[in-house]
Amino acid sequence: SQQGEEDPQALSIQEGENATMNCSYKTSINNLQWYRQNSGRGLVHLILIRSNEREKHSGRLRVTLDTSKKSSSLLITASRAADTASYFCATDSSGAGSYQLTFGKGTKLSVIP
Amino acid sequence: DAGVIQSPRHEVTEMGQEVTLRCKPISGHNSLFWYRQTMMRGLELLIYFNNNVPIDDSGMPEDRFSAKMPNASFSTLKIQPSEPRDSAVYFCASSLKRAGGYEQYFGPGTRLTVT
Repeated sequence: SQQGEEDPQALSIQEGENATMNCSYKTSINNLQWYRQNSGRGLVHLILIRSNEREKHSGRLRVTLDTSKKSSSLLITASRAADTASYFCATDSSGAGSYQLTFGKGTKLSVIP
Repeated sequence: DAGVIQSPRHEVTEMGQEVTLRCKPISGHNSLFWYRQTMMRGLELLIYFNNNVPIDDSGMPEDRFSAKMPNASFSTLKIQPSEPRDSAVYFCASSLKRAGGYEQYFGPGTRLTVT
């Protein structure tokens, strides 16, 4: 079953604009991660935010986590054509000793030059 | 590091044939994951290993699927016999299991087409 659900399913913006993607999940988590997948490629890890963190930055990426609402958002600022990809959230809600991630179905981002 | 290596990159086979997918994880990583990705079901975890031992294979769809990890640098996913509904992209990922969270490193995937 899907733990993380991304919203929107697809997003199209102009280069230079900001892109915001949201992820909702159902059970308590240890951490939440965001991944990017370019067409025909494997997933690439972008950022990990732990359950006791509320915000994290990495370059043009900003991730927030609201555990009370069981939601996270990924903001890409000043988008570039190269940011065109699918973005997935993944939740780690496994018990001690078990490290599994459950992926959502992703948001397909198109950045128009 | 070369990253996670998967072979073959593409596989086209006929229904009923045996298919073997191969994966070499990143050196030093102690966890290995097999995923399947389709448009309909998204990314599904099939099985994962920790220190070469299968921990959870509840995602393996049927007995037709089997996975092995004979050593820390090699894993296989076998489908026998293959069926058209097995057509998907199969990813292998590896990670270094440690406290506080971890990230997974994905291979380029094997695109399997069963006719």
